[in-house]
Amino acid sequence: DAGVTQSPTHLIKTRGQQVTLRCSPKSGHDTVSWYQQALGQGPQFIFQYYEEEERQRGNFPDRFSGHQFPNYSSELNVNALLLGDSALYLCASSFTGTRNTEAFFGQGTRLTVV
Amino acid sequence: AQKITQTQPGMFVQEKEAVTLDCTYDTSDQSYGLFWYKQPSSGEMIFLIYQGSYDEQNATEGRYSLNFQKARKSANLVISASQLGDSAMYFCAMSEDQGGKLIFGQGTELSVKP
Repeated sequence: DAGVTQSPTHLIKTRGQQVTLRCSPKSGHDTVSWYQQALGQGPQFIFQYYEEEERQRGNFPDRFSGHQFPNYSSELNVNALLLGDSALYLCASSFTGTRNTEAFFGQGTRLTVV
Repeated sequence: AQKITQTQPGMFVQEKEAVTLDCTYDTSDQSYGLFWYKQPSSGEMIFLIYQGSYDEQNATEGRYSLNFQKARKSANLVISASQLGDSAMYFCAMSEDQGGKLIFGQGTELSVKP
């Protein structure tokens, strides 16, 4: 059983560009959360998707948007990239109604903005 | 506002010895959950142990135990009989709703010496 799969693993983009990161949840999971982890910091919650709707959002600008597909996979889009967007982006999946103890994280996408 | 504080950027421990990683939290909610995660260099967050705010007993999972002192708002992780494979970043996190966003601390880098 594959766990949470994120793609790509690494990405280099130029300031001002747009980027799309992808996440496939663990089999049986229907909820996807995204986190941004800057170097040397703890992860920060971006948003959570359930039933193709954004259910909860952290303190991130509108440049950060997402989508969830009927198969529960999810995309994170970041527009007008800034140097400060360079980070490890983590996706976590879970089954709705369960505790975060049941959440599984992917290995992340490392985004570098130059 | 919810906040997690980890004051130890780095810790060293001798193999087979026990180590305590500190975590304090701040919340105005009565119901919350506290989590510890391990993050190896590969990037994924691995769930270790959970403590609910109403749990009267300290949580234990194998070599991991959580020293929960509610009045002091602390939730320290104790790793017994350290192994070389325990070398990693450790994050304390909190969630105020089941399955909702996790608030992470800054992390502690643990190095186990042979």
